[in-house]
Amino acid sequence: GENVEQHPSTLSVQEGDSAVIKCTYSDSASNYFPWYKQELGKRPQLIIDIRSNVGEKKDQRIAVTLNKTAKHFSLHITETQPEDSAVYFCAASYSSASKIIFGSGTRLSIRP
Amino acid sequence: DTAVSQTPKYLVTQMGNDKSIKCEQNLGHDTMYWYKQDSKKFLKIMFSYNNKELIINETVPNRFSPKSPDKAHLNLHINSLELGDSAVYFCASSPSGSSTDTQYFGPGTRLTVL
Repeated sequence: GENVEQHPSTLSVQEGDSAVIKCTYSDSASNYFPWYKQELGKRPQLIIDIRSNVGEKKDQRIAVTLNKTAKHFSLHITETQPEDSAVYFCAASYSSASKIIFGSGTRLSIRP
Repeated sequence: DTAVSQTPKYLVTQMGNDKSIKCEQNLGHDTMYWYKQDSKKFLKIMFSYNNKELIINETVPNRFSPKSPDKAHLNLHINSLELGDSAVYFCASSPSGSSTDTQYFGPGTRLTVL
């Protein structure tokens, strides 16, 4: 069935270090994979997305990689800063149902 | 210029009451959604409308009834509120309703049922 698994559920890294969040999806037809950042008390906001015709996409300190064969995709944040502290959600498209399915979220904390 | 707006931001009410949440988008999008985010932060889709037509209706109790008077508005009415309805409800919109569209979220409505 429709499922997106996300790990870890919580992640604490030292400021300046890198953070990696991983997701797997179940529908082999999924072709769109957005990542959302949700700060405390705020709305989820898109930070980066990747489509199935590319394997990697980068935007300044954030990058996303996609392995369609293994049905894995990951978010990489380098040189982490205090403002990176938030809950991050991965998602995958389900074209047969015109929707995206969200992962369970990762709470990222940046230690000063 | 708020792209997707919701009212109210906070809603505190007693069990058994009926309440509504309103959503409006000024992005010119065709599709709007309602999501429920529970205390564990799970984001679960409830409904979607494309140009006033119901597209997605997940397994949501029929106490929840969405209404879309036009493609810029999607309201959510909840009858006979229960404790388990306490959550943050997010409205979202996307250009066409394709699963590959970016979805833009409203600020959320925190519903507390006492």
